Amino acid sequence: AQSVSQHNHHVILSEAASLELGCNYSYGGTVNLFWYVQYPGQHLQLLLKYFSGDPLVKGIKGFEAEFIKSKFSFNLRKPSVQWSDTAEYFCAVLGGYNKLIFGAGTRLAVHP
Amino acid sequence: DAGVIQSPRHEVTEMGQEVTLRCKPISGHDYLFWYRQTMMRGLELLIYFNNNVPIDDSGMPEDRFSAKMPNASFSTLKIQPSEPRDSAVYFCASSSGQSVYTFGSGTRLTVV
Repeated sequence: AQSVSQHNHHVILSEAASLELGCNYSYGGTVNLFWYVQYPGQHLQLLLKYFSGDPLVKGIKGFEAEFIKSKFSFNLRKPSVQWSDTAEYFCAVLGGYNKLIFGAGTRLAVHP
Repeated sequence: DAGVIQSPRHEVTEMGQEVTLRCKPISGHDYLFWYRQTMMRGLELLIYFNNNVPIDDSGMPEDRFSAKMPNASFSTLKIQPSEPRDSAVYFCASSSGQSVYTFGSGTRLTVV
């Protein structure tokens, strides 16, 4: 079955701390992976995506993610978070019939 | 492009009333998705269309929910009769083939 698992439901960090959000997927086909961000009261926006090629993907706002095929993982990282990164982060895999399967999300709170 | 347009942004209705949510996808996108987001269940895919045809409606919670896509530029999600547990944010998204999903701003539905 296709699924996405995000390890942390809530993360609290201080500004300038480093961030890593875990994501594991289960899907047998060609893997297309995404991270979306949802700022408070807003809709989902794409942070970054992996379709093929370099497994280290750089996205907007200093975020990056690494696709590790052997671990079925696609963890999101940022070396130094800001208060404005406070949001909910969703990992997703593109399943069959172009259906996007989301993880449960991780709520990040960054304190000044 | 104006992106995916949803209306209304907010809807407050009384239990038992019919509610209709509207979505205009990005021109040229051939996939359209309806998601529901709640604190308890996160993001749930309700139904999606390809070329105006419903492909998978297994996420539609009950017969009270119905969705249509009469043409490539318009879709509706209807709840009749509405219940308080339907209160959620409903997102519409569209995509083209295996391209990135673009989400609308959502409709926040409150059923009292």
